[in-house]
Amino acid sequence: EAGVVQSPRYKIIEKKQPVAFWCNPISGHNTLYWYRQNLGQGPELLIRYENEEAVDDSQLPKDRFSAERLKGVDSTLKIQPAELGDSAVYLCASSSSTQRGLAGGYNEQFFGPGTRLTVL
Amino acid sequence: GENVEQHPSTLSVQEGDSAVIKCTYSDSASNYFPWYKQELGKRPQLIIDIRSNVGEKKDQRIAVTLNKTAKHFSLHITETQPEDSAVYFCAASKRDDKIIFGKGTRLHILP
Repeated sequence: EAGVVQSPRYKIIEKKQPVAFWCNPISGHNTLYWYRQNLGQGPELLIRYENEEAVDDSQLPKDRFSAERLKGVDSTLKIQPAELGDSAVYLCASSSSTQRGLAGGYNEQFFGPGTRLTVL
Repeated sequence: GENVEQHPSTLSVQEGDSAVIKCTYSDSASNYFPWYKQELGKRPQLIIDIRSNVGEKKDQRIAVTLNKTAKHFSLHITETQPEDSAVYFCAASKRDDKIIFGKGTRLHILP
C-alpha cells in the first residue's frame, strides 16, 4: 500500500510570506497528525484530526498556524505569516482508529517524508 | 502532561558491539512505547514497540525492555552494523492518545 504522501518536500520562503503544506494519509487511516521537528529534536505534535474533526490542537500556534481536513482525508497546514523560527521539518503521520481498537488502543503511527521549510 | 527523557544524545560504538539507549517517562498511565529510527533526511520509521503488559520484546538484533515501576525503557541493538547508524527516538503514549517523543540519540557505528 502507498504510504503517507506529503508535498512539497522542500520550501524556501522569506519571512512574513505565507506557506502551505499538503498531506495525504494512508488509505483508510482516519487519524491524521501534523508534527514539527526542529533540528536535532524529536517530532512535536501540532494538531491531531479524527476524520475531519481537530481533537487536539493545543500545541498549534493559532495566531499564525491553521490547518484543515475538510473531507476527512487529505489535510493542509498553513503558516501566515512565516517567521524565522518556523524553519523546521513538518511531518504528517496517520493511523487507524479501527486498528487501534483491535490492538487495544495502542497507537502505531506512520510518517510521511516531511516538508523541510526554510524561512529566510 | 507526559515528558520523555532520552540518553545519551550521541552514541558511538564499534561495529559488532552492542548499543543501548535509555529513556524515562513521567506519566504512569502511559502504556505504549514505540521506538523510531530516522536516517538523515528521511521519515521516522517504527522499528519496534512494547506495551505495558510485557517487560521485554525482541526482534532479531533489536530488543526493548520496560520497567514500569521505575518508568524506564531501553533499546538494545546487538552486533551493530553500519546501516544501524541513524537517529533513534523513543516515545510514550497513553491508550488512544498522542505520542510524546524523546529528543533522540544519534548513533554512529564506527568501522
